Amino acid sequence: SSDLTQDPAVSVALGQTVRITCQGDSLRKYFASWYQQKPGQAPLLVIYGKNNRPSGIPDRFSGSSSGNTASLTITGAQAEDEADYYCNSRDSRGDHRRVLFGGGTKLTVL
Amino acid sequence: QVQLQESGPGLVKPSQTLSLTCTVAGGSMSSGGYYWSWIRQHPGKGLEWIGYIYNSESTHYNPSLKSRVTISVDTSKKQFSLKLNSVTAADTAMYYCARGIAARNDAFDIWGQGTMVTVSS
Repeated sequence: SSDLTQDPAVSVALGQTVRITCQGDSLRKYFASWYQQKPGQAPLLVIYGKNNRPSGIPDRFSGSSSGNTASLTITGAQAEDEADYYCNSRDSRGDHRRVLFGGGTKLTVL
Repeated sequence: QVQLQESGPGLVKPSQTLSLTCTVAGGSMSSGGYYWSWIRQHPGKGLEWIGYIYNSESTHYNPSLKSRVTISVDTSKKQFSLKLNSVTAADTAMYYCARGIAARNDAFDIWGQGTMVTVSS
């Protein structure tokens, strides 16, 4: 089990909007980062901080947070967005040095 | 453009030590604010943080692996390394090195391509 909880699978129709969530007590103190991983590839950072995208990440990706829940929203999902998505943050317990990952959400674009 | 590249044996025998190296290309390791990290992924599973080193000497490890893990850095070679002792089949996984960056809320902004390590006799 993970200290950050994600739904195992989510689907979205092509061109529609989908929200992928991540829950955990550490998110009350730390922002989540979000990673996209396609089969056979390394994870790719898509969102960090309050709502920041690294260079090259399409603006259809956005992040938000409320209470113990962080969300990754894809507005107008494309076929190439089909992938696994992982959230991560610092662990707010103990010395705050531990790093947490969510269990991942498999996104299917229909 | 900083790039990371893992290297090391793809097959390790049970009870032996897994040793991997990550080479940093195109950037400096000496600048502060980076967490040079190891992350693994068991086949078909999610990401598991192993640990990181920062400021060239401070390390933090996943409590579940702490007794078996050592991460070290050689800034002159622009490399950091992972040693995992007493491996079992449960350590069979894809191993990634990654750069965590404090300025980006500790996100892992650069990843190596990963190296698959199988533990088997």
